[in-house]
Amino acid sequence: AQKVTQTQTSISVMEKTTVTMDCVYETRDSSYFLFWYKQTASGEIVFLIRQDSYKKENATEGHYSLNFQKPKSSIGLIITATQIEDSAVYFCAMRDLASSSFSKLVFGQGTSLSVVP
Amino acid sequence: AQTIHQWPVAEIKAVGSPLSLGCTIKGKSSPNLYWYWQATGGTLQQLFYSITVGQVESVVQLNLSASRPKDDQFILSTEKLLLSHSGFYLCAWSLDWGASQNTLYFGAGTRLSVL
Repeated sequence: AQKVTQTQTSISVMEKTTVTMDCVYETRDSSYFLFWYKQTASGEIVFLIRQDSYKKENATEGHYSLNFQKPKSSIGLIITATQIEDSAVYFCAMRDLASSSFSKLVFGQGTSLSVVP
Repeated sequence: AQTIHQWPVAEIKAVGSPLSLGCTIKGKSSPNLYWYWQATGGTLQQLFYSITVGQVESVVQLNLSASRPKDDQFILSTEKLLLSHSGFYLCAWSLDWGASQNTLYFGAGTRLSVL
């Protein structure tokens, strides 16, 4: 069965620094998709970035980038030059295509990021 | 551009009362639609998904039901609310099952308190 684990419950960083949030996943399938979402204080869930398992290059999107380590089943989210408004809960999620649950996006437990001045 | 609208924004309901939450997608025909539930401080759990009008698949049994009466509308309901139904309900959409099109985009959500 699919499983996504985020071990960091909360992180606090100084503004303008770089932060990395960890995520490990389990899947039996060779083809899968990994996502990071941000949940703001209002509850809104915003898609940030995705990594397709067949792509060797790490995805980047603005000041978000991924550290995809396929042999370790790891997909870390890197935020550079953090801003106060980056404070939120960040969720890692996975979706595979081969299993019967191909329609399902499985989420991790979330990491709460606090960016302080 | 696609927009997703959920209603109501929040509900306070009594145990045993009925519930109906709605979601409308504009700007995309035949989207895949999903309902997710989030307990306070918890992760997101998929409840239902639908790939076409009149067809809904249940992922988790929580004494809830869903329907897709129109191409752009997804409804979540129950006849009798339980305390455990409290939480944050999110509707989401994706383009199709294709590998490059399966990113989910979420609505603003509905906060439900069952007392």
